[in-house]
Amino acid sequence: EPEVTQTPSHQVTQMGQEVILRCVPISNHLYFYWYRQILGQKVEFLVSFYNNEISEKSEIFDDQFSVERPDGSNFTLKIRSTKLEDSAMYFCASNRDRTTYEQYFGPGTRLTVT
Amino acid sequence: QKEVEQNSGPLSVPEGAIASLNCTYSDRGSQSFFWYRQYSGKSPELIMSIYSNGDKEDGRFTAQLNKASQYVSLLIRDSQPSDSATYLCAGHSNTGNQFYFGTGTSLTVIP
Repeated sequence: EPEVTQTPSHQVTQMGQEVILRCVPISNHLYFYWYRQILGQKVEFLVSFYNNEISEKSEIFDDQFSVERPDGSNFTLKIRSTKLEDSAMYFCASNRDRTTYEQYFGPGTRLTVT
Repeated sequence: QKEVEQNSGPLSVPEGAIASLNCTYSDRGSQSFFWYRQYSGKSPELIMSIYSNGDKEDGRFTAQLNKASQYVSLLIRDSQPSDSATYLCAGHSNTGNQFYFGTGTSLTVIP
């Protein structure tokens, strides 16, 4: 069964450093998302992406964040200058189309900012 | 602000019983709702979607949607210890493409 994959599973970085989190969505899916979940808190929407453009972004997704689909398979989230409060699980998700919106999540990347 | 409210629980039920999970949502423009199961340290796993008023059944799971009351529920019949997890209710807004999640209800099924 196709699944969303994410790398790395765990990333440790120092405050102020740039990180890139990588995702490979399910191959026939057209809509891609990034979420974060701070430990013990709810899943928070960051951004949705379709046709090589951002469809919608939340207030969390400020200028420190960017997304890119550099090729036909990868979908990346870049955080330019990490802060301590960026420590969280970051989930990538995808869905095939906008008739059902059934989205499937990757296993996540745990980002630890020290 | 589009929000989903869930009773955080914890909810405990004996094995074989029915577990009932509820959520309410704030955005009347939202048309699609989802239930996810999240085991500790894992990613959300889609278990049910519902788009129309009424009930939708899939195996041991039944989702219910009442748009007039802005209420979504999930019933789990014949609960199993493996159902012990946090259940997330999520909505999707038709104005744009954004999903919003509740804080989740922790369910424990006692053998």
